Amino acid sequence: GQQLNQSPQSMFIQEGEDVSMNCTSSSIFNTWLWYKQDPGEGPVLLIALYKAGELTSNGRLTAQFGITRKDSFLNISASIPSDVGIYFCAGHSTGGGADGLTFGKGTHLIIQP
Amino acid sequence: KAGVTQTPRYLIKTRGQQVTLSCSPISGHRSVSWYQQTPGQGLQFLFEYFSETQRNKGNFPGRFSGRQFSNSRSEMNVSTLELGDSALYLCASSLNTGTLYYEQYFGPGTRLTVT
Repeated sequence: GQQLNQSPQSMFIQEGEDVSMNCTSSSIFNTWLWYKQDPGEGPVLLIALYKAGELTSNGRLTAQFGITRKDSFLNISASIPSDVGIYFCAGHSTGGGADGLTFGKGTHLIIQP
Repeated sequence: KAGVTQTPRYLIKTRGQQVTLSCSPISGHRSVSWYQQTPGQGLQFLFEYFSETQRNKGNFPGRFSGRQFSNSRSEMNVSTLELGDSALYLCASSLNTGTLYYEQYFGPGTRLTVT
């Protein structure tokens, strides 16, 4: 099946720093989404992207749909303690198969005081 | 508007038993999807229901099944539980309108432990 390679697996940063993470696929995706999951909770939708090259912001978060349609990026500016959690990319491919979302393995963001 | 709710939140079962999990979608959402989340495999798509019909199915054995009711509420069932079925089971709902279908909103999940 389709796989999404998400990196980095974990990030240790200082409060106030900017954060970047990305997701790549061997298949073309027609939709990219970014979710955040806190311990004991379900993933929360942060940003949805539908067009190649699209750049969308949600507060301090900015995500981009790569022009090759095989990758996506998420940036967090001026990180704060509540940004801690696991960030997942997810996508839907045009390549057929199951029609659910395919998820990356997540980026665990840890903010050091 | 209330979010996706799942019951129960925690469940402990014995190998060989069966289990039923419940999901109530966001009001107005008629598409309900189920996912399994484990540390090793991450989030994996189980199946999706719309208008009481299974519309899509992931790569899971037939022991995993589900259904949807006329009010869009959904249940999933796992029969003959195995130790490897221990996982967080997540339900997600979405509108069935164009690209909004892909904007899936998740419930808090049911943590199933099989002993």
